[in-house]
This record gives sequence, structure tokens and C-alpha cells, in this order.
Amino acid sequence: NAGVTQTPKFQVLKTGQSMTLQCAQDMNHNSMYWYRQDPGMGLRLIYYSASEGTTDKGEVPNGYNVSRLNKREFSLRLESAAPSQTSVYFCASSVLGRTGGQSTDTQYFGPGTRLTVL
Amino acid sequence: AQSVTQLGSHVSVSEGALVLLRCNYSSSVPPYLFWYVQYPNQGLQLLLKYTSAATLVKGINGFEAEFKKSETSFHLTKPSAHMSDAAEYFCAVSDQESSASKIIFGSGTRLSIRP
Repeated sequence: NAGVTQTPKFQVLKTGQSMTLQCAQDMNHNSMYWYRQDPGMGLRLIYYSASEGTTDKGEVPNGYNVSRLNKREFSLRLESAAPSQTSVYFCASSVLGRTGGQSTDTQYFGPGTRLTVL
Repeated sequence: AQSVTQLGSHVSVSEGALVLLRCNYSSSVPPYLFWYVQYPNQGLQLLLKYTSAATLVKGINGFEAEFKKSETSFHLTKPSAHMSDAAEYFCAVSDQESSASKIIFGSGTRLSIRP
């Protein structure tokens, strides 16, 4: 099992360029997520997908679009990159588990993509 | 709305000393609580989680956390720090049982270990 994989690991863009960050998971999870991590701000949810065919906005969706291509893959697109989008981007997936009769949702993270927008 | 507050952006302890990382949460419904660890240039890894089954939760690498409803706290502890514990630690809260929980993360605490 590779778990959650992300490509690319590093990327430098110029303002106005577009790009797509790729994420795939091989754990047969239903839910997938995109976060950005900025110094001193923890992780903030950009978009998530509860299941194949559905996507929803998170806390900071502006400037991003997503596609849940199939159950395995969830991509994040920057249509016109801005310096404010310089960040580390993490993809995650989750399985709904049960512990003592209560359901829980543990998220598993990819290694991240470090994006710089000049 | 839910939130978590991690007290102290940076904690430094000596090797062998007690580790205590503080987390307070706010939630209008019974919460699910998590601690994640992030080593340099890596993604987040789940340390432990609280799901109301037991108030004292044991995780990996010798860490544990205690849920205290009266104090709205979920502090992370380890009796004896190792150099390998140096990392950033994130507390997180969720209240949904749906298939796509929206977990809210704290801003993180960087743990340094002095030889």
C-alpha cells in the first residue's frame, strides 16, 4: 500500500499561471480532502469530497477548483496562481471507522506539495 | 462553531523530561479529538484520537492524552522525551459522524528536545 500519494513534490509558478496538483489513494477510502498549511496557521481545508461524484467547499476555497476523478483520485487546480497561494498543500483521505459503537473519521495524509508563486 | 487552541507555539524540553502539549477545544456538541504529529518535510500522522470510549487515550510512540470535559482540554503528554520526538504537533476537533468529517486543526506546537 502506497497510502496517499501527491505529485508534484515541489513547484514554482509565475503569477497568472495555472497548474493541477494530483492526489491518489489506494486505501479504498470514500472521502478525500485538500488542505493548505501556512506558518502559524495550522491546516485549513480548501475543498473536500465525501464520495465519488461530490465535492464541497471548505474554509478557504477561493482561487481553487477540484475534481473527484474517481474513487482513487482527487485533483486541485489553480486557474490563475497568485503569490498568496504560496503554501504547502496536503491531500488526505479518510475511512469511517467505529470504536465502541461510536463512528470516527481518521484522516490519512500525503507527503505534501510545496508550491511557490512568484 | 468548533475551534481548538494550542497554548504555546514552541515548547522545549530536555531529553528524558516530561512532555506536555496543551490543547483546549470549543464545541457545542460532544467532540471527537485528535492529535497529529508532523516530522520535517512530511505529512501529518495520527498519534491518537478520542471518540468518547475512554477519557484517557493512549497513542503511538508512548504518547497519551486525557479528555477533560470540565476543562474543555485534551492535553498531550509523554513521560520521557526522546530526541526523535522533535516535531510539530497538531490538535484537531471534529463533531461529525458523516463520511466526510470536517476536522478543524489548531495552529500547531513545535516541540524541541534538548540533549
